[in-house]
Order: sequence, then C-alpha cells, then structure tokens
Amino acid sequence: GAVVSQHPSWVICKSGTSVKIECRSLDFQATTMFWYRQFPKQSLMLMATSNEGSKATYEQGVEKDKFLINHASLTLSTLTVTSAHPEDSSFYICSARDSGRGLGYTFGSGTRLTVV
Amino acid sequence: GENVGLHLPTLSVQEGDNSIINCAYSNSASDYFIWYKQESGKGPQFIIDIRSNMDKRQGQRVTVLLNKTVKHLSLQIAATQPGDSAVYFCAENIRGNKLTFGTGTQLKVEL
Repeated sequence: GAVVSQHPSWVICKSGTSVKIECRSLDFQATTMFWYRQFPKQSLMLMATSNEGSKATYEQGVEKDKFLINHASLTLSTLTVTSAHPEDSSFYICSARDSGRGLGYTFGSGTRLTVV
Repeated sequence: GENVGLHLPTLSVQEGDNSIINCAYSNSASDYFIWYKQESGKGPQFIIDIRSNMDKRQGQRVTVLLNKTVKHLSLQIAATQPGDSAVYFCAENIRGNKLTFGTGTQLKVEL
C-alpha cells in the first residue's frame, strides 16, 4: 500500500533557530500533501495544503512566513518552522493523497518538535 | 467553521467486548468519511472509510455506520483486543478536498 515517510521523527532545537521537516511519498506520486499540527490530547489541526509546483494554501490563523512549505516534486514536501519558539513545540504530521487510488489519504509517522 | 465532534472522550471496555465509538458531524455537504486509529507518538492509521451514498461498511472486525439524517457516524469494533487501545478519530471530507478531524476518543481495553 501507499507509504509516507516523515523525517525526522523527533527534533530538539533552540529558540530562534529553524527546523525543516520532510515528507516523502515512497511508492506513489502526490500532487497534494497536507501538514497538520497536533497538541497533546488534542485532534489534528490542518495547517496548510501543499500543492506540487505552486504555493501552499494556509488555513486561517497559520502564519505562512513562519511555517514555510515547499512542494518541489511529486514525492517531497517540506515544512520549515522558522525562528522557532517554545510555543511551536508540537507534533507535526504530514499526509499525502494518492491520486491514483482516488480519495486515499496516507499519513506520515509524525515529527515531535521541542523548542527549548 | 464547522466541526466534527465526538460524544465520548474516553471509552473503557473489557477485552472481548464490542466497542462503539461515535462521531457527530455538522457539514451536510461532507461526502466521504474515514476512521483513523492513532497510537501514542505515531501518525494516524487508516481503519475504514465510507462514502455518503452508503450507510454501512464492514471490514475485518470493524464496521462503520453512517446516518446522514442525524449526521452521525459510528465505528464498531468487534471482540476488542488490548492492541485496539488507542485514540480514534473520525474525519470528514468534501469532494476530495481537505480532511477535517473530530476531537478523538481514547479507547482503553481492560484485561
């Protein structure tokens, strides 16, 4: 079945630095990928929709200059948290849609970001 | 915005019993629904899905029921096992666009 690889699985960074998270579709091409953020004991909140070859679509309240998304190929989307602050500490999860399988959404294993 | 919500934040069941996890959705235009299982520190895992033109779909040990009249979705797990312990989310989708997740239910299986 469809596999989405997310890297790194966890990262600790200092306040003010930037962190890049990668999301790869391993066995299918994904024209659309999605980035979610999840705080402890809460649901997944969609941050943005990443479209291959075009600008990402951000949800209301998500700062596009802080959460940079790049989807340069059909198998890779990246999320960069710029100038990270402790309140950015969260679980970030990506998802990709295998257009060849209709509506199937596959999720990555998530990235635990801790900003100290 | 519209939300997908769950009635029970925590559900405890005995091993071997059947589990029923409920979800209420508010967007009548949603046409595709998915149940996900999420274990601690991991991404959501697909369990079962259903389109709005159906009211029931069965998988291995799981059944999803959709009642569009009252905008209610449920996940039934037969013979619940310890490995079923996790948080379960329903998600709704409109015409292949983004998924909106419900608040989640923690399922605890007691031995």
